[in-house]
Amino acid sequence: DVKVTQSSRYLVKRTGEKVFLECVQDMDHENMFWYRQDPGLGLRLIYFSYDVKMKEKGDIPEGYSVSREKKERFSLILESASTNQTSMYLCASTEGKNEKLFFGSGTQLSVL
Amino acid sequence: RKEVEQDPGPFNVPEGATVAFNCTYSNSASQSFFWYRQDCRKEPKLLMSVYSSGNEDGRFTAQLNRASQYISLLIRDSKLSDSATYLCVVSPGNFNKFYFGSGTKLNVKP
Repeated sequence: DVKVTQSSRYLVKRTGEKVFLECVQDMDHENMFWYRQDPGLGLRLIYFSYDVKMKEKGDIPEGYSVSREKKERFSLILESASTNQTSMYLCASTEGKNEKLFFGSGTQLSVL
Repeated sequence: RKEVEQDPGPFNVPEGATVAFNCTYSNSASQSFFWYRQDCRKEPKLLMSVYSSGNEDGRFTAQLNRASQYISLLIRDSKLSDSATYLCVVSPGNFNKFYFGSGTKLNVKP
């Protein structure tokens, strides 16, 4: 089974802090994604990556950046956390284009 | 117009009931279709991929109607453990894009 691991299940940060969310997948998948999920808004794509060092903006990239230095690891960075970034963050990976998504267990981030 | 639309529910059904969800999509060029299950405060997990010919996995049956641009999920003999939110996910033919429905909440009651 594919395993997508997110480093933290719950995280509490203060406004203005720099926040790193880590995601690792163990199946050599090419594509990795970061989503956030909010009640009433569903899942929204922040960034995705289709190869090492390659990244594409999703629908809501403002306030976020990403890093993919190794194929298995995709990091989401909140440069200066704000309260409106309080959300559930979900990492996902797929083997190929339009293949099924495998999700990590999510990080519930609270920014105070 | 949203790319993928689902009835948010909730659908409240007794154990043993048959329940069906529909999901409509707007892009006729869509290539891949999936149903995911999401429990409260957990990640979405793949329930089924949906194929043109329809497919069945135990009590679950998924169908695709390209002409009318919808997919459906049928759950027979509902169990308490089926209570969850069911997400419809559609991927068009181009690069790595997935569109999510807002989810349909199912409550199975004893």
